[in-house]
Amino acid sequence: AQSVTQLDSQVPVFEEAPVELRCNYSSSVSVYLFWYVQYPNQGLQLLLKYLSGSTLVKGINGFEAEFNKSQTSFHLRKPSVHISDTAEYFCAVSDTGTASKLTFGTGTRLQVTL
Amino acid sequence: GAGVSQSPRYKVAKRGQDVALRCDPISGHVSLFWYQQALGQGPEFLTYFQNEAQLDKSGLPSDRFFAERPEGSVSTLKIQRTQQEDSAVYLCASSHEVSQPQHFGDGTRLSIL
Repeated sequence: AQSVTQLDSQVPVFEEAPVELRCNYSSSVSVYLFWYVQYPNQGLQLLLKYLSGSTLVKGINGFEAEFNKSQTSFHLRKPSVHISDTAEYFCAVSDTGTASKLTFGTGTRLQVTL
Repeated sequence: GAGVSQSPRYKVAKRGQDVALRCDPISGHVSLFWYQQALGQGPEFLTYFQNEAQLDKSGLPSDRFFAERPEGSVSTLKIQRTQQEDSAVYLCASSHEVSQPQHFGDGTRLSIL
């Protein structure tokens, strides 16, 4: 069984400030890792993914994440946020085997203000 | 279409009624997933299809939930004798291959009165 922990339910930040959204996972097998963003009344949009290779992954909209196997973490970062980044962010994990159903964390609400 | 399409976007039903939710995946995507997202929570897996075969239905919460994908394209999630706890957003996702990232639709918001 797998689980994902997003410790921060809400993260307030000023525009142009850096931000880190934390994600830790638990799994007994190798995993793929994902970050999705959800705007109000919309589905989930993929920000970035780690499948293999370099542990630093760059995604859309200036976001990046680093896979740390020893700490079982996959934190999301952005050096300078914009008002438009205000949304719910979900970290997710799947195994690398058969049907790759996603296990999601409970989400982090990023609130960017002026 | 270019993305995953779900209909209806909103559905209100009385407790005890049956409902059917439709998902039209991205053309050519063999894998299709259904998730349930309760208010303030992350999505939770319900069921998975590879083409027309339902390979995993371990997340369906009860035998009132039934999903099908008869021709390996459009899928329908049916909930019989709805209850208030069924109120949630139901998300559909598709992917080209099993290991590829999933692309999500905008969901159907189901409200049971």
